[in-house]
Amino acid sequence: SQTIHQWPATLVQPVGSPLSLECTVEGTSNPNLYWYRQAAGRGLQLLFYSVGIGQISSEVPQNLSASRPQDRQFILSSKKLLLSDSGFYLCAWSQQGTEQYFGPGTRLTVT
Amino acid sequence: GESVGLHLPTLSVQEGDNSIINCAYSNSASDYFIWYKQESGKGPQFIIDIRSNMDKRQGQRVTVLLNKTVKHLSLQIAATQPGDSAVYFCAETGGSYIPTFGRGTSLIVHP
Repeated sequence: SQTIHQWPATLVQPVGSPLSLECTVEGTSNPNLYWYRQAAGRGLQLLFYSVGIGQISSEVPQNLSASRPQDRQFILSSKKLLLSDSGFYLCAWSQQGTEQYFGPGTRLTVT
Repeated sequence: GESVGLHLPTLSVQEGDNSIINCAYSNSASDYFIWYKQESGKGPQFIIDIRSNMDKRQGQRVTVLLNKTVKHLSLQIAATQPGDSAVYFCAETGGSYIPTFGRGTSLIVHP
């Protein structure tokens, strides 16, 4: 069966510090991968998606970046965090034309 | 997307009642629709899906109805239980990699 992992589960970082969130998927090959951000009590904002290794599409211009060094690994990064980067970060995977499966999320607080 | 910046509407029901959560979509080319349930502090979970060649699909205690004429999707939950309390999102896709999520509805079930 397929599983998706995200870590860390929670993170408190000061403004201006770097960020690296990791997501890995097991049990499937060539998945589409996604990073979303969700503010408290709000909907899902798509940040990045990837259809293959090294292929990243950005939906929202910002100080975040994403990389896909391996087929089932998706990394969200920032060189310098802003207060506005606080939120709940969700990784998801899907196969073409099917439902998405979400990870447990990372709660990021920038102080 | 438009779901990001708006507070979620809320539906309050009594335990045992039937719940109906509605969703309007805008893309007439969308051919695949999904409902997700998101419990507090967790990632969204797939509930049920429906393709555009159908107008109704049933699962365990849940039914999804699709009205393509008015671009409306609904999720019906029978005999709602306290464990059904969550935020429910609809999503649509027209065969691309990127689903469009609705703004979400917060369901509160009172015992």
